[in-house]
Amino acid sequence: GAVVSQHPSWVICKSGTSVKIECRSLDFQATTMFWYRQFPKQSLMLMATSNEGSKATYEQGVEKDKFLINHASLTLSTLTVTSAHPEDSSFYICSERQETQYFGPGTRLLVL
Amino acid sequence: AQSVAQPEDQVNVAEGNPLTVKCTYSVSGNPYLFWYVQYPNRGLQFLLKYITGDNLVKGSYGFEAEFNKSQTSFHLKKPSALVSDSALYFCAVRGGSSNTGKLIFGQGTTLQVKP
Repeated sequence: GAVVSQHPSWVICKSGTSVKIECRSLDFQATTMFWYRQFPKQSLMLMATSNEGSKATYEQGVEKDKFLINHASLTLSTLTVTSAHPEDSSFYICSERQETQYFGPGTRLLVL
Repeated sequence: AQSVAQPEDQVNVAEGNPLTVKCTYSVSGNPYLFWYVQYPNRGLQFLLKYITGDNLVKGSYGFEAEFNKSQTSFHLKKPSALVSDSALYFCAVRGGSSNTGKLIFGQGTTLQVKP
């Protein structure tokens, strides 16, 4: 299957700071990538669809100014959590899709 | 609207016994069905999928799943469970063509295999 990497794997930051999470498709040129959020012992919630060279498509209820997505190349999409607050603490997972959707290892964000 | 239901929050099984993790779905058109496994603090690993063809699909680590159109189910099975199979399992569905549409997840089922 496809290989998707994320960096960092975990991050701790102070409230009010911004955090950038990178998602790389290592063996596939992904025109579309997906960002999910997962709370403990819950399912994945799709946040947005990242489109290479154009604006991301956000799901209802997800603040686009809060969660900035950039997909500048076919192998890299980034999610920036701006002015992070404790309620933004979560597990963020990116994904890319061929016929099967493959997921990155996730990034654990803890906002103090 | 698309939806996936995993009716069991947790399934407990003894090592060596067969296991079943249930999944039912609702989708317009032909379903694309997937099973993923998640270990603690890790992303999702793809196990198997049904797109078309044989209703019995074999996947990674000895898992298989059977597509049942009349019952709109796609239950995950394994003949002999291992302790290392203990993890969180997600069923997912996508309607429409293979490269369009969102992947919708069930709420997840925790599988606990006891020695």
